[in-house]
Formats: sequence, structure tokens, C-alpha cells
Amino acid sequence: AQSVAQPEDQVNVAEGNPLTVKCTYSVSGNPYLFWYVQYPNRGLQFLLKYITGDNLVKGSYGFEAEFNKSQTSFHLKKPSALVSDSALYFCAVRLTGANNLFFGTGTRLTVIP
Amino acid sequence: DAGVIQSPRHEVTEMGQEVTLRCKPISGHNSLFWYRQTMMRGLELLIYFNNNVPIDDSGMPEDRFSAKMPNASFSTLKIQPSEPRDSAVYFCASTWGRGDYGYTFGSGTRLTVV
Repeated sequence: AQSVAQPEDQVNVAEGNPLTVKCTYSVSGNPYLFWYVQYPNRGLQFLLKYITGDNLVKGSYGFEAEFNKSQTSFHLKKPSALVSDSALYFCAVRLTGANNLFFGTGTRLTVIP
Repeated sequence: DAGVIQSPRHEVTEMGQEVTLRCKPISGHNSLFWYRQTMMRGLELLIYFNNNVPIDDSGMPEDRFSAKMPNASFSTLKIQPSEPRDSAVYFCASTWGRGDYGYTFGSGTRLTVV
């Protein structure tokens, strides 16, 4: 079955430190991978995507993610966390030829001042 | 563009009542999705439309749920009759094609059934 997993419900990081939010996937075929962020009382916002090409993709707000085919991972990273990065982060996958996204369960990121 | 517009933002209703949630997608987008978010089940896809046609409604929990998209600028999600377990935040999202440039989500409707 196709799926994405976010192994951590909660990630805490000090302001200014690097952050990583983990995502692994299980799909047949080539995955299209996405990260979305959700701020309180808001809908999800698109951050970045991997479809093909360079394994390191850069997105909004200084975030980047690295596609690792051998480890079937797509971890979200940022070199220096801001308090305003505190939010709920979702990894998602779309299969080749499909229209819809499968979302992970989300990881709540808290950046401590 | 004002983005994806959902109404109402909040809805409180009594069990057994009919509830209608509304969505206006971004102009020019041809795919529309309805999602439900709860603490227990996370984000679930209920149904999606492409060019106003329902493509996959396998996520609709039961016959009490129905969705329509009469034209490219409007969609509804109806629950009749509503039950307390339907309480959740319902999101509408739209995109062009398969969404390779991202989905745009509305702010959601928080439904509480008492």
C-alpha cells in the first residue's frame, strides 16, 4: 500500500538551531513528494516538492528537503529555526498518474526562544 | 485572487440536522478536493473532482455524505443527517492539473455536531 510516515509527532528545537522533520514513504513507482505547513486555524500551505532532478529541493521560508531514494526518505530541513516556524508540518506523496495526495499524520514543530 | 474560499468558518448544529459546507476554488483551477481533519484520523481525503466531475469518492465515510460541483467555481459538501462523530475541520483545496505546483487550501470549516 502507498503511504507516508512521519515518525515524530512532536519536534522541539531551540531558536537558531538547525531543524529536521522526518518523512519516509512507501510507494510503488516514482514518488512525487511534497511538504505542507499548517499554522493555527489555517489551511495547509505548500512549502516545496520533489518530482525529479536534484535530490535537494529548496522551498518557501528557507526550508529545504532532501530526497533519498535508497532510504525512501524526504526529510524537511532548515539551517536556522525561527520561533515563527512553529507549526504543524505534513509530508505528502502523489503517485505517478494519480491526482490526489496522501498525507502523513503531521509533526508539530515547536521552536523555543 | 482571494484564494480558496470556504463558508461558513464555524458551524454548530444538532445531531440529525442537515449541514452544507461550501467552497469556491481559485479561478482557473480544474481540480477540487474535500478533506476532513481530526485529531484521531489526521487528514483524510473525502472526494475529489476534476473538471467538475467526481473522480474518486472512496473516502466519503457513508451515504450520509454527498458532494457536488455544479460548475467550476462552486462545490458543496452535504451531511444529512449529521452525527456527533462528524465533528471535524473540513478543508477544501484546489489546484491545476495534478497539483505539481501545490494545492491551495481554504481556511476550513470547523463543524461541531452536538
